[in-house]
Amino acid sequence: KAGVTQTPRYLIKTRGQQVTLSCSPISGHRSVSWYQQTPGQGLQFLFEYFSETQRNKGNFPGRFSGRQFSNSRSEMNVSTLELGDSALYLCASSLGREETQYFGPGTRLLVL
Amino acid sequence: AQKITQTQPGMFVQEKEAVTLDCTYDTSDQSYGLFWYKQPSSGEMIFLIYQGSYDEQNATEGRYSLNFQKARKSANLVISASQLGDSAMYFCAMREGWSGATNKLIFGTGTLLAVQP
Repeated sequence: KAGVTQTPRYLIKTRGQQVTLSCSPISGHRSVSWYQQTPGQGLQFLFEYFSETQRNKGNFPGRFSGRQFSNSRSEMNVSTLELGDSALYLCASSLGREETQYFGPGTRLLVL
Repeated sequence: AQKITQTQPGMFVQEKEAVTLDCTYDTSDQSYGLFWYKQPSSGEMIFLIYQGSYDEQNATEGRYSLNFQKARKSANLVISASQLGDSAMYFCAMREGWSGATNKLIFGTGTLLAVQP
Protein backbone atom coordinates (compact mmCIF):
# COMPACT_ATOMS: atom_id res chain seq x y z
CA LYS A 1 0.00 0.00 0.00
CA ALA A 2 1.40 3.40 -0.95
CA GLY A 3 2.33 5.76 1.85
CA VAL A 4 1.39 9.36 2.38
CA THR A 5 2.49 11.53 -0.52
CA GLN A 6 3.10 15.25 -0.44
CA THR A 7 3.65 17.61 -3.32
CA PRO A 8 5.70 19.53 -4.03
CA ARG A 9 8.68 18.28 -2.07
CA TYR A 10 10.56 21.56 -2.27
CA LEU A 11 9.34 25.07 -2.82
CA ILE A 12 10.91 28.51 -2.92
CA LYS A 13 8.69 31.57 -2.64
CA THR A 14 9.15 35.23 -1.89
CA ARG A 15 7.55 37.27 0.85
CA GLY A 16 3.98 38.25 0.14
CA GLN A 17 3.26 35.36 -2.18
CA GLN A 18 0.89 32.55 -1.39
CA VAL A 19 1.47 28.82 -1.56
CA THR A 20 -0.63 25.65 -1.70
CA LEU A 21 0.67 22.34 -0.46
CA SER A 22 -0.98 19.03 -1.23
CA CYS A 23 -1.25 15.80 0.71
CA SER A 24 -2.61 12.44 -0.42
CA PRO A 25 -3.26 10.11 2.50
CA ILE A 26 -2.81 6.36 2.60
CA SER A 27 -5.67 4.68 0.80
CA GLY A 28 -8.61 4.25 3.14
CA HIS A 29 -7.40 6.81 5.66
CA ARG A 30 -9.96 9.50 6.41
CA SER A 31 -8.09 11.67 8.88
CA VAL A 32 -5.40 14.10 7.78
CA SER A 33 -3.34 16.36 10.00
CA TRP A 34 -0.75 18.99 9.17
CA TYR A 35 2.30 19.99 11.18
CA GLN A 36 4.93 22.68 10.81
CA GLN A 37 8.51 21.93 11.81
CA THR A 38 11.07 24.68 12.35
CA PRO A 39 14.41 24.67 14.19
CA GLY A 40 13.16 27.28 16.61
CA GLN A 41 9.64 26.10 17.39
CA GLY A 42 9.95 22.39 16.73
CA LEU A 43 6.92 20.45 15.59
CA GLN A 44 3.66 22.33 15.86
CA PHE A 45 0.17 21.21 15.00
CA LEU A 46 -1.61 23.16 12.27
CA PHE A 47 -4.93 21.45 11.48
CA GLU A 48 -6.81 18.20 11.59
CA TYR A 49 -9.40 17.13 9.05
CA PHE A 50 -11.77 14.22 9.16
CA SER A 51 -14.39 13.50 6.54
CA GLU A 52 -13.92 16.94 4.94
CA THR A 53 -14.45 18.77 8.24
CA GLN A 54 -11.82 20.65 10.18
CA ARG A 55 -11.89 19.08 13.63
CA ASN A 56 -9.08 20.97 15.30
CA LYS A 57 -6.84 23.93 14.58
CA GLY A 58 -3.53 24.94 16.06
CA ASN A 59 -2.45 28.37 17.18
CA PHE A 60 -1.55 29.83 13.81
CA PRO A 61 -2.71 33.05 12.16
CA GLY A 62 -5.56 33.10 9.70
CA ARG A 63 -3.07 33.19 6.82
CA PHE A 64 -2.87 29.43 7.29
CA SER A 65 -5.87 27.58 5.97
CA GLY A 66 -6.68 24.12 4.74
CA ARG A 67 -9.32 21.85 3.38
CA GLN A 68 -10.04 18.22 2.75
CA PHE A 69 -11.74 16.78 -0.28
CA SER A 70 -14.20 13.92 -0.56
CA ASN A 71 -11.38 11.54 -1.53
CA SER A 72 -9.59 12.51 1.73
CA ARG A 73 -6.85 14.39 -0.09
CA SER A 74 -5.97 17.59 1.69
CA GLU A 75 -4.46 20.93 0.83
CA MET A 76 -3.09 23.67 2.98
CA ASN A 77 -2.67 27.24 1.88
CA VAL A 78 -0.51 29.98 3.29
CA SER A 79 -1.23 33.49 2.07
CA THR A 80 1.00 36.55 2.34
CA LEU A 81 4.09 34.52 3.09
CA GLU A 82 6.54 35.73 5.71
CA LEU A 83 10.17 34.77 6.21
CA GLY A 84 9.17 32.89 9.36
CA ASP A 85 6.96 30.57 7.35
CA SER A 86 10.07 28.82 6.06
CA ALA A 87 9.70 25.32 7.43
CA LEU A 88 9.17 21.66 6.77
CA TYR A 89 5.44 21.04 6.45
CA LEU A 90 4.44 17.51 7.32
CA CYS A 91 1.17 15.81 6.57
CA ALA A 92 -0.01 12.74 8.46
CA SER A 93 -2.91 10.41 7.84
CA SER A 94 -4.72 7.84 9.93
CA LEU A 95 -7.68 5.54 9.54
CA GLY A 96 -9.68 7.41 12.10
CA ARG A 97 -9.34 9.75 14.97
CA GLU A 98 -7.80 7.36 17.48
CA GLU A 99 -5.47 5.63 15.12
CA THR A 100 -1.73 5.94 14.62
CA GLN A 101 -0.71 8.72 12.28
CA TYR A 102 1.63 7.99 9.41
CA PHE A 103 3.61 10.86 7.99
CA GLY A 104 4.54 11.86 4.49
CA PRO A 105 8.00 13.01 3.40
CA GLY A 106 7.13 16.64 3.92
CA THR A 107 7.33 19.79 1.83
CA ARG A 108 10.31 22.04 2.47
CA LEU A 109 9.24 25.64 2.00
CA LEU A 110 11.79 28.42 1.79
CA VAL A 111 10.54 31.99 1.84
CA LEU A 112 12.99 34.60 0.57
CA ALA B 1 -1.66 21.82 29.47
CA GLN B 2 -0.16 18.70 27.98
CA LYS B 3 3.59 18.69 27.57
CA ILE B 4 6.31 16.31 26.42
CA THR B 5 9.86 16.66 27.72
CA GLN B 6 12.92 15.06 26.16
CA THR B 7 15.95 16.05 28.19
CA GLN B 8 18.65 14.46 26.00
CA PRO B 9 19.44 16.71 23.03
CA GLY B 10 21.95 14.20 21.69
CA MET B 11 23.27 10.74 22.44
CA PHE B 12 25.97 8.41 21.20
CA VAL B 13 25.76 4.63 21.24
CA GLN B 14 28.07 1.92 19.95
CA GLU B 15 26.75 -0.35 17.25
CA LYS B 16 25.07 -3.50 18.64
CA GLU B 17 24.55 -1.93 22.07
CA ALA B 18 21.20 -0.97 23.58
CA VAL B 19 20.20 2.64 24.18
CA THR B 20 17.41 4.31 26.14
CA LEU B 21 15.89 7.59 25.04
CA ASP B 22 14.06 9.44 27.79
CA CYS B 23 10.60 10.95 27.58
CA THR B 24 8.42 12.38 30.32
CA TYR B 25 4.95 13.77 29.83
CA ASP B 26 2.48 15.90 31.64
CA THR B 27 -1.26 15.58 31.26
CA SER B 28 -4.38 15.69 33.37
CA ASP B 29 -6.25 13.37 31.02
CA GLN B 30 -6.89 9.80 32.08
CA SER B 31 -6.91 8.51 28.52
CA TYR B 32 -4.03 9.36 26.23
CA GLY B 33 -1.65 7.82 23.76
CA LEU B 34 2.13 7.98 23.59
CA PHE B 35 4.12 7.58 20.41
CA TRP B 36 7.71 7.47 19.27
CA TYR B 37 8.74 8.59 15.81
CA LYS B 38 12.09 8.49 14.05
CA GLN B 39 13.12 11.27 11.70
CA PRO B 40 16.15 10.61 9.49
CA SER B 41 17.91 13.49 7.79
CA SER B 42 15.53 13.08 4.84
CA GLY B 43 12.76 14.56 6.99
CA GLU B 44 10.08 11.89 6.93
CA MET B 45 8.66 10.95 10.33
CA ILE B 46 8.63 7.19 10.74
CA PHE B 47 6.26 5.64 13.30
CA LEU B 48 8.04 3.30 15.68
CA ILE B 49 5.83 2.36 18.60
CA TYR B 50 2.63 3.23 20.47
CA GLN B 51 1.53 2.90 24.08
CA GLY B 52 -1.99 3.55 25.29
CA SER B 53 -2.49 4.90 28.78
CA TYR B 54 -4.60 1.90 29.75
CA ASP B 55 -2.24 -0.68 28.28
CA GLU B 56 -0.86 -2.80 31.11
CA GLN B 57 1.94 -4.33 29.09
CA ASN B 58 4.86 -2.33 27.75
CA ALA B 59 4.66 -2.04 23.97
CA THR B 60 7.26 -3.79 21.84
CA GLU B 61 7.93 -3.66 18.10
CA GLY B 62 10.93 -5.65 16.98
CA ARG B 63 14.04 -3.98 18.39
CA TYR B 64 11.97 -1.18 19.90
CA SER B 65 10.32 -1.34 23.29
CA LEU B 66 8.63 1.31 25.35
CA ASN B 67 9.33 1.42 29.07
CA PHE B 68 6.03 2.86 30.31
CA GLN B 69 5.94 4.01 33.92
CA LYS B 70 2.57 5.64 34.39
CA ALA B 71 3.05 6.82 37.97
CA ARG B 72 6.27 8.57 36.98
CA LYS B 73 4.73 9.81 33.72
CA SER B 74 7.60 8.47 31.68
CA ALA B 75 7.64 6.63 28.37
CA ASN B 76 11.23 5.84 27.51
CA LEU B 77 12.17 4.23 24.20
CA VAL B 78 14.63 1.36 24.33
CA ILE B 79 16.42 0.37 21.14
CA SER B 80 18.19 -2.95 21.40
CA ALA B 81 21.15 -3.98 19.25
CA SER B 82 21.67 -0.55 17.69
CA GLN B 83 22.42 -0.37 13.99
CA LEU B 84 24.10 2.36 11.97
CA GLY B 85 20.75 3.02 10.30
CA ASP B 86 19.28 3.97 13.67
CA SER B 87 21.16 7.27 13.54
CA ALA B 88 18.40 9.87 13.39
CA MET B 89 16.31 12.29 15.44
CA TYR B 90 13.79 10.60 17.72
CA PHE B 91 10.61 12.30 18.85
CA CYS B 92 8.28 11.36 21.67
CA ALA B 93 4.70 12.50 21.15
CA MET B 94 1.39 12.42 22.97
CA ARG B 95 -2.09 12.45 21.54
CA GLU B 96 -3.86 15.21 23.33
CA GLY B 97 -7.30 15.13 24.78
CA TRP B 98 -9.68 12.39 25.73
CA SER B 99 -10.10 9.41 23.50
CA GLY B 100 -11.68 10.23 20.18
CA ALA B 101 -11.70 13.98 20.57
CA THR B 102 -8.68 14.78 18.47
CA ASN B 103 -5.75 13.33 16.62
CA LYS B 104 -3.53 16.26 17.54
CA LEU B 105 -0.03 15.20 18.55
CA ILE B 106 2.15 17.18 20.93
CA PHE B 107 5.83 16.55 20.30
CA GLY B 108 8.91 16.80 22.43
CA THR B 109 12.03 18.58 21.22
CA GLY B 110 13.67 15.38 20.09
CA THR B 111 16.86 13.45 20.77
CA LEU B 112 19.53 13.14 18.10
CA LEU B 113 20.98 9.63 18.23
CA ALA B 114 24.31 8.82 16.63
CA VAL B 115 25.31 5.18 16.31
CA GLN B 116 29.05 4.67 16.12
CA PRO B 117 30.66 1.66 14.42
